[in-house]
Amino acid sequence: AAGVIQSPRHLIKEKRETATLKCYPIPRHDTVYWYQQGPGQDPQFLISFYEKMQSDKGSIPDRFSAQQFSDYHSELNMSSLELGDSALYFCASSLRGESTGELFFGEGSRLTVL
Amino acid sequence: GQQVMQIPQYQHVQEGEDFTTYCNSSTTLSNIQWYKQRPGGHPVFLIQLVKSGEVKKQKRLTFQFGEAKKNSSLHITATQTTDVGTYFCAVETSGSRLTFGEGTQLTVNP
Repeated sequence: AAGVIQSPRHLIKEKRETATLKCYPIPRHDTVYWYQQGPGQDPQFLISFYEKMQSDKGSIPDRFSAQQFSDYHSELNMSSLELGDSALYFCASSLRGESTGELFFGEGSRLTVL
Repeated sequence: GQQVMQIPQYQHVQEGEDFTTYCNSSTTLSNIQWYKQRPGGHPVFLIQLVKSGEVKKQKRLTFQFGEAKKNSSLHITATQTTDVGTYFCAVETSGSRLTFGEGTQLTVNP
């Protein structure tokens, strides 16, 4: 069965550089989520999209932006990178019903900022 | 801040021992989900509990939702080395977001 695909799996950037993460949700899933997970931490919600429209926004820095495209893939853009942005970034998708429902996570993109 | 408090933060057990992690909320929850994240892996959905007092079992795993829908537990009977990982509870908060507890990291000594 198709899973959530994230790319790249790893990337290394310098401070003040820009990074773009991509996510391809499970086909026919209507909701995409982005989470940030630091070492030993729980996943922190960044932003979500429902049917290509931003549906909720968490503690996402102004330096970050995200969008969902017509083919349902999503991109998380991070600019002016800081050391503290080093983390694992997960994308997840779901089929929203009466409740949020089960989230299917990708394998994550590990960002290291030097 | 965290919507749910999860305890303990760490649990070390000998293989064959039981394990339990608890999540507690100050507010009534509509439902609660549980996820497992293996070391170096991604969170994987285990179950969703919706009804007051609900108990669900998956082989050696037993999930409970409190009568007041403010707490939940995950119990593993006779742990195995394959149970190693971090177990998170997660609840719906504002909007469509799923907010995770801080997790319980389980290590199993063979």
